[in-house]
Amino acid sequence: QKEVEQNSGPLSVPEGAIASLNCTYSDRGSQSFFWYRQYSGKSPELIMFIYSNGDKEDGRFTAQLNKASQYVSLLIRDSQPSDSATYLCAVNGDYGQNFVFGPGTRLSVLP
Amino acid sequence: EAQVTQNPRYLITVTGKKLTVTCSQNMNHEYMSWYRQDPGLGLRQIYYSMNVEVTDKGDVPEGYKVSRKEKRNFPLILESPSPNQTSLYFCALGGSRGNEQFFGPGTRLTVL
Repeated sequence: QKEVEQNSGPLSVPEGAIASLNCTYSDRGSQSFFWYRQYSGKSPELIMFIYSNGDKEDGRFTAQLNKASQYVSLLIRDSQPSDSATYLCAVNGDYGQNFVFGPGTRLSVLP
Repeated sequence: EAQVTQNPRYLITVTGKKLTVTCSQNMNHEYMSWYRQDPGLGLRQIYYSMNVEVTDKGDVPEGYKVSRKEKRNFPLILESPSPNQTSLYFCALGGSRGNEQFFGPGTRLTVL
């Protein structure tokens, strides 16, 4: 059974700080890694995806992947109260394989 | 812009009464899938489909059926719903590699 683990939180950070969200996965064959943000009562929305080891930056967001350690993280710089949400990590293998989501980490950015 | 429509958005029903939750897309995405989301358990994939007439089980397929007779529609069928199927259901469609899933608005189902 493929597993994706995340700390459930809540993770509280002050406005303007860096929020660091972590995720580990069990299947070494996983190829693609995703971070979604979900506001309460809403559907998940994609923030970033990463396929290769290393860092990928998009605005205030940086995804980091370490396949050897089976670890993927999301850094949010200059955190804003509007970033307060649940962040879901997801992985999948090659095209045609099913997605597996982690339970999510709830982030609270305090003004 | 890709759009996913789910109907109904809210449904209260009773045990054993067959129901169908519809999902349709306005794009030509091949990959579509269904998830349920429960507190503490996160999003779990029920079924997915890579194309017309091609479907496969996700992690929690028991008690559900799907069909993919045309590319734009991917209905979720509960033949005999039970209270443990009370959940928030999302339909999602994927990009050209099945990645970057785009989620529908969700259907909140309560089975009494």
